[in-house]
Amino acid sequence: DQQVKQNSPSLSVQEGRISILNCDYTNSMFDYFLWYKKYPAEGPTFLISISSIKDKNEDGRFTVFLNKSAKHLSLHIVPSQPGDSAVYFCAASEIGNEKLTFGTGTRLTIIP
Amino acid sequence: NAGVTQTPKFRVLKTGQSMTLLCAQDMNHEYMYWYRQDPGMGLRLIHYSVGEGTTAKGEVPDGYNVSRLKKQNFLLGLESAAPSQTSVYFCASSYSVWTGSNYGYTFGSGTRLTVV
Repeated sequence: DQQVKQNSPSLSVQEGRISILNCDYTNSMFDYFLWYKKYPAEGPTFLISISSIKDKNEDGRFTVFLNKSAKHLSLHIVPSQPGDSAVYFCAASEIGNEKLTFGTGTRLTIIP
Repeated sequence: NAGVTQTPKFRVLKTGQSMTLLCAQDMNHEYMYWYRQDPGMGLRLIHYSVGEGTTAKGEVPDGYNVSRLKKQNFLLGLESAAPSQTSVYFCASSYSVWTGSNYGYTFGSGTRLTVV
């Protein structure tokens, strides 16, 4: 049972445009959400996070939006740059639980 | 550089062989985790530890054992390797997902294991 789903395995975006990556979850106990970025032959690295008490968190070119009623979050990258080409994982955790549940990942390709 | 170090980086095993993957962190993190990454499956938690001397099962623990004898090390063992265990294994550590301005986990660079 996949509690965190990323329904788009891949996404291609023109350089300079906006990239929008989506993530859906089914567990209503999830309270904290994170996005990780992964380059080939490297481990995932933390990108941005959001608590369920917020609906938006911004860090430079990256913004995460959370819609709790729809159990949906999205990552916006504006403007997209070639170095953003990577696999992006969303992850979620329950209150007080250190374990992260990851989605299946979306491969983002930025076209120069 | 500070962080999480995994050894080895690559390994090929024959079915039935055993091996141990080592994870070491120098950030004094309490929590450590082993994940496997498979195509179309994302990252799935194998085992984790909430402190020295403790271990717990994750989502896919069968066929694996772990030990955390020292705070900085978390070992993943395969007693009798099977082709289904062909995967990329990632170790991670954290203070707490819930602390402050939180960076969640710090991951190692992975171990690519092939079982033939």
